[in-house]
Amino acid sequence: QVQLVQSGPEMKKPGASLKVSCKASGYSFTTYGISWVRQAPGQGLEWMGWINTYNDNTKYSRKLQDRVTMTTDTSTNTVYMELQSLTSDDTAVYYCTATDHFDYWGQGSLVTVSS
Amino acid sequence: EIVLTQSPATLSLSPGERATLSCRASQTVYTYLTWYQQKPGQAPRLLIYDASKRATGIPDRFTGSGSGTDFSLTISSLEPEDSAIYYCRQRSDWTAITFGQGTRLDIK
Repeated sequence: QVQLVQSGPEMKKPGASLKVSCKASGYSFTTYGISWVRQAPGQGLEWMGWINTYNDNTKYSRKLQDRVTMTTDTSTNTVYMELQSLTSDDTAVYYCTATDHFDYWGQGSLVTVSS
Repeated sequence: EIVLTQSPATLSLSPGERATLSCRASQTVYTYLTWYQQKPGQAPRLLIYDASKRATGIPDRFTGSGSGTDFSLTISSLEPEDSAIYYCRQRSDWTAITFGQGTRLDIK
């Protein structure tokens, strides 16, 4: 079955960078694009961007495009999301999700940004 | 950016009742509208895609309808486990996917 397993929780200082991983299994890795969605505490869902795992094309939200980078490692079937220049507003649970309809979701990675 | 407005913000109903959740888009999204259910501490779960297609394993008491700018999710005969927050999402503009702010459904 399709599984997306994300890296663990992280504590970061303001100004630092973050890199979250999402390891896919149970399907051919390049079949589905991967999106990243985050959710601040008590808030709704925010789409961050998408990477085509076949050709590494990316689309980023306009809000985050200057700070976010998504990459793949096809040798390990893993997608990475890097976010730079963190502020407290980046405190959130970060999810990876696969397919156009977001059928499959990782378990979420809690990121806390605090001095 | 396409704005999705969900209503009501909160809905409190009893088991067995019918719930109707609304999602309105600021411009047409054709039928590129998806519904998700999220329970506390869990990732969202896909319910309905392309406005009216039920995802695999979703009970038939969940029905999506609409096109263009007005969409609804109907849950017939509510069950206690339907308590959750429901989000709509559009992918008409793939460069700027957006979610609605959510509707909290309480079953009491």
